[in-house]
Amino acid sequence: AQSVTQLGSHVSVSEGALVLLRCNYSSSVPPYLFWYVQYPNQGLQLLLKYTSAATLVKGINGFEAEFKKSETSFHLTKPSAHMSDAAEYFCAVSDGSGGSNYKLTFGKGTLLTVNP
Amino acid sequence: DTEVTQTPKHLVMGMTNKKSLKCEQHMGHRAMYWYKQKAKKPPELMFVYSYEKLSINESVPSRFSPECPNSSLLNLHLHALQPEDSALYLCASSRVGAYLQETQYFGPGTRLLVL
Repeated sequence: AQSVTQLGSHVSVSEGALVLLRCNYSSSVPPYLFWYVQYPNQGLQLLLKYTSAATLVKGINGFEAEFKKSETSFHLTKPSAHMSDAAEYFCAVSDGSGGSNYKLTFGKGTLLTVNP
Repeated sequence: DTEVTQTPKHLVMGMTNKKSLKCEQHMGHRAMYWYKQKAKKPPELMFVYSYEKLSINESVPSRFSPECPNSSLLNLHLHALQPEDSALYLCASSRVGAYLQETQYFGPGTRLLVL
């Protein structure tokens, strides 16, 4: 069965500092991995996704993530945080296990705060 | 254009009311989803429609009744809800539902309060 663990429910960084949001997955087959961002009182917006084409995935707003099979990780990074990056971030996995082809399993989320 | 729209934005209803949530997309997507999101929690899948047919019901109580009148429209009919049903209801769509790598595009949600 697929699952996702996001380490750290809350991450706080200073403006201009590196952002690192951690995501580890569990999957019995090669997974598809996604990062979504949710700004307050809004829906989810796709930041980036891994579909096995390349291990380093670049997304919107300067974010990128690296798929590391040996570490079963898909951490999200951004070199320099901006105040507008403050939001909830969700890592999600889809691998079709259990016959649920449509199921996207989300991590519990990481709230990113950016301090001036 | 990757827009999914949802109406209304906010809804307050009593436990005896009947109301409906509406979701619309004009991207030609053939899979549509309903999620429920409680505060500070990830979204929980409720229903999936693929090619206008209900393909997944995640053991959702019958007081929630989905409907997909056509490929662009998804409704969620609400009846006799409980206060614990108060949440953000998110709609999503994807190009083709049968493929794992398909991106789900989310709408802004309807914030529901049941009194």
